[in-house]
Order: sequence, then C-alpha cells, then structure tokens
Amino acid sequence: SYVLTQPPSVSVAPGKTARITCGGNNIGTKTVHWYQQRPGQAPVLVIYYDSDRPSGIPERFSGSNSGNTATLIITRVEAGDEADYYCQLWDNTSDHWVFGGGTKLTVL
Amino acid sequence: QLQLQESGPGLVKPAETLSLTCSVSGDSIRSSNSFWGWVRQPPGKGLEWIANIFYSGTTYYNPSLKSRVTISVDTSKNHFSLKLTSVTAADTAVYYCARLSDDKTYGHYYFDLWGRGTLVAVSS
Repeated sequence: SYVLTQPPSVSVAPGKTARITCGGNNIGTKTVHWYQQRPGQAPVLVIYYDSDRPSGIPERFSGSNSGNTATLIITRVEAGDEADYYCQLWDNTSDHWVFGGGTKLTVL
Repeated sequence: QLQLQESGPGLVKPAETLSLTCSVSGDSIRSSNSFWGWVRQPPGKGLEWIANIFYSGTTYYNPSLKSRVTISVDTSKNHFSLKLTSVTAADTAVYYCARLSDDKTYGHYYFDLWGRGTLVAVSS
C-alpha cells in the first residue's frame, strides 16, 4: 500500500517559517490533507485538498504538493503551533486511507 | 453543531473482542453523503486508519486489520460501531471516531470532525 514519509521532528524559532514535508511516490498526483494534534487532544484538520484551509484555521497555515513531496507551511510560527502534524491521503488505487508517521514541531 | 462521542470499555482482555460505539449528535447519521470512520493511536505513536463506512453501508478496511475488524451503522440509535476481535497488547490505543467530508466532491475524503477519543487497554 501507499507509504507517506515524514521527518520525525522539525524545530523553528518563533516568528520564523516552518516547513513540514510529506514524501510519497508521485504524491503530486494525489490529494493531501494535514492535521494538527496538540498533546492530549484529538487531531484537527488544518489543510485539505493540498492547500485549502478550513474555516477557523489561520492564514499562516498553507500547503503545497508537487513531485514526490507535499509540504505544510506555517509562517510566523507561534508557541501555540507546537504540536504533532500528520499528512494523510486517500489511495484511490486501493480505496485505503493512509497517514504519514507524523512530525513533531518544536518551537524553540 | 455536530458532535461525536466514543464509548466503550477501557479495558479488554487478550483474545477477546473490543467493541466501541460512536454517538452522533446534532445531525442524522444517514445524512446524504455522510461518511464515518475510526482511527487509532497507540501510546506515543502515530495515527492509524482502521475503517470507514459510507451512509449507503459501503465499508472500507485497513488491510492490516481487515480480518479482525467490523464497522457498522445503527441508524435507529444514530451511532456507528467498531468491533475488533482477537485483541492483543498491540491493540492498546486511543480510538477516535470521525466524520469524513469532501466539499469538492472529487472523492478525496478527509477527516474533518473528530471525537475526543477513548483509551482502550488490552491486558489480563
């Protein structure tokens, strides 16, 4: 089945830009969604369809998807953005839903 | 406002069956195009998709769990359920129920609403 690969951790200073990657074979031809999970809480959808933001998600969150890498971009990072982030897609060749292994974002 | 709430035993013995229910409030579980699912997270680990069920009754299962999992909908009680048989310690996890949506109707469903999750431990 389709595999999504994320770096285990990313660190960024407050006010800077964080980029969290999600790798997969020709992932640019697929549709990727992103979730934020703060400690002890349920995941929250932050980006869907590669780059769309649900209502209530700050404009600081954006996404891109091309080639073999999808990227979640968080600008002007705040302490409250510290969380685990997961990419996810629907593999239409197998009708399975797949999550990446998750990336822990640390705000220095 | 739609809300989801998981319920079920917090402790299950090895080799027994784990049964969870997700109660849906604020809307009918049979709303057009409604799609529901279960995701789990072992302690300290990542998210793992378990199964989904479409409002029509069509089901989808994670191949690694398919032989042990059943997802179903009870429209009379407005809830959907998960059964996982022959559990082992590896099935210890927080289990989340969720709604899937696709506002572009292209079929790339995403989990847009989650329950708070319920911790199930497998231990004798």
